[in-house]
Amino acid sequence: NAGVTQTPKFRILKIGQSMTLQCTQDMNHNYMYWYRQDPGMGLKLIYYSVGAGITDKGEVPNGYNVSRSTTEDFPLRLELAAPSQTSVYFCAAQRERGTDTQYFGPGTRLTVL
Amino acid sequence: DQQVKQNSPSLSVQEGRISILNCDYTNSMFDYFLWYKKYPAEGPTFLISISSIKDKNEDGRFTVFLNKSAKHLSLHIVPSQPGDSAVYFCAATAPGSGTYKYIFGTGTRLKVLA
Repeated sequence: NAGVTQTPKFRILKIGQSMTLQCTQDMNHNYMYWYRQDPGMGLKLIYYSVGAGITDKGEVPNGYNVSRSTTEDFPLRLELAAPSQTSVYFCAAQRERGTDTQYFGPGTRLTVL
Repeated sequence: DQQVKQNSPSLSVQEGRISILNCDYTNSMFDYFLWYKKYPAEGPTFLISISSIKDKNEDGRFTVFLNKSAKHLSLHIVPSQPGDSAVYFCAATAPGSGTYKYIFGTGTRLKVLA
């Protein structure tokens, strides 16, 4: 039982390039989240999903897109990378919303130059 | 507008002593609070939580206290161990009012000195 896995662990992008951050969970959890963490800051919610086919924006969605075609996978897409998107990205999964715990992946460190 | 605040970016404590990490919130609708622990190059892991119907929750060496009137919670670690050195985030949510997203504080880096 791997929990939440994220790939890649590290990536350097040039301005204007695009990439997809992968997130997979094997816990059969309905709810999945993408956060970013900037230095000295807390985690900010980018997008979330309440189940396959259903996604919604969080606090900081600009510059990102998501899809949720299966329960297991929740990829995050950056279309035109900008230096402001340099951050550490975390994916999380939660069985039910409310007081159930969110379980986090190990993160992807992205640098945009 | 930072709804969840951790005003101490860092804290150093001697091994064996008590560590007290603080968190303040502004939104009175929050009714469930969590602490997460994060080691370098890893994702946050859940540590302990508390519902607003309680004022204390204990799990081994970790105790969370909630003061609703002051909109303040604290995490006590007794005794502190070097393996507790990590960044601690508090988070708040409001499931009782239909808001399920977590709002995180900025974190406190705890260093436990051997």
